Amino acid sequence: QKEVEQNSGPLSVPEGAIASLNCTYSDRGSQSFFWYRQYSGKSPELIMFIYSNGDKEDGRFTAQLNKASQYVSLLIRDSQPSDSATYLCAVKPQGTLGRLYFGRGTQLTVWP
Amino acid sequence: DGGITQSPKYLFRKEGQNVTLSCEQNLNHDAMYWYRQDPGQGLRLIYYSQIVNDFQKGDIAEGYSVSREKKESFPLTVTSAQKNPTAFYLCASKDGDQPQHFGDGTRLSIL
Repeated sequence: QKEVEQNSGPLSVPEGAIASLNCTYSDRGSQSFFWYRQYSGKSPELIMFIYSNGDKEDGRFTAQLNKASQYVSLLIRDSQPSDSATYLCAVKPQGTLGRLYFGRGTQLTVWP
Repeated sequence: DGGITQSPKYLFRKEGQNVTLSCEQNLNHDAMYWYRQDPGQGLRLIYYSQIVNDFQKGDIAEGYSVSREKKESFPLTVTSAQKNPTAFYLCASKDGDQPQHFGDGTRLSIL
């Protein structure tokens, strides 16, 4: 069984701070990693994805991979109240016909 | 506009009844997926399909059935054998190695 673990939180940060979300995965051969944001009552929305070859920055968001320790992190700089949501980590292991394995999500609250 | 359309938005099932959730995409994506989400939980894979006329069971396929007769359509039937069907159902699709994108979901409840 492929495991993806996230701290359920909730994680609470003040506006303007850096929010750091982490995700660990069990399959060492995992190739790609995804972060989805899910507002309450809505469907998940893709915000970042990275492959096993490196980190990625997109605006206020940075996704980082530590292959040796098998974890991936999402940093949100200058956090805004609109970032308050549940963040889902998903991993695509090797040889899984494109299916993803999801963590349970981390609930983030950014207070003004 | 291109996208993934799920219908209905809300659905109610009576005891012993089968219900079908619709998922249609006009993105020309080959792969389509059905997930179930329970409160406070992550997404669990029910069924997925890489190409037309072919599909595979996910982790929680019991009590569900699917078909993939057309590339753009991947309906999910929740049968009476699924004893705890109340959940948020999400359909996703993707093209090649690109990420999955989701429809708006269907909320299923028991009457």
